[in-house]
Amino acid sequence: AQSVTQLDSQVPVFEEAPVELRCNYSSSVSVYLFWYVQYPNQGLQLLLKYLSGSTLVKGINGFEAEFNKSQTSFHLRKPSVHISDTAEYFCAVSTIIIQGAQKLVFGQGTRLTINP
Amino acid sequence: EAGVVQSPRYKIIEKKQPVAFWCNPISGHNTLYWYRQNLGQGPELLIRYENEEAVDDSQLPKDRFSAERLKGVDSTLKIQPAELGDSAVYLCASSLDPGTYNEQFFGPGTRLTVL
Repeated sequence: AQSVTQLDSQVPVFEEAPVELRCNYSSSVSVYLFWYVQYPNQGLQLLLKYLSGSTLVKGINGFEAEFNKSQTSFHLRKPSVHISDTAEYFCAVSTIIIQGAQKLVFGQGTRLTINP
Repeated sequence: EAGVVQSPRYKIIEKKQPVAFWCNPISGHNTLYWYRQNLGQGPELLIRYENEEAVDDSQLPKDRFSAERLKGVDSTLKIQPAELGDSAVYLCASSLDPGTYNEQFFGPGTRLTVL
């Protein structure tokens, strides 16, 4: 069975500084990887996903992530954060289960706090 | 285009009481998911519907939880009776179909507090 570990529960960063949110996964089969963002009192929104191809994936709001198979990692990065990036970020892994259906398994989340 | 709609947004009940959550997925989305998100944790899948059929309910505590998706559109998740440990945010999501290439769109959730 697959699992996801987000190594930091909280990350405080100053505005306009770079940030990296770390994610490691465990799976015995090929995986698909996702990052979701959850703003306060809202549902989850897809930031980016890796399904195949280039290991560097670009998403919305200036975020990007790099799939590293040897390190089993999928870290999320942004070169310069804004106050509006304050949110909870979830890494998720998916494998094909039956009849082409996916099943998402989420990490515990990382709370990103941007300080002025 | 309207997103996934959930109601109520908040619910406070006493233990042993019943409670129900409602979800209206994005129009045309055949697959509907219910997740539970405990405080400080990521969402965990409870049940997945393809049209009106529950095709993955392995994580649904069937002694007290039930769900239905009549006519393959709206869905209701029920807990009876509720326990203190059921306090969580219940998220509904939908996708065109269950394949990996299809994004899951999430509703805002229902925050349940059991006293």
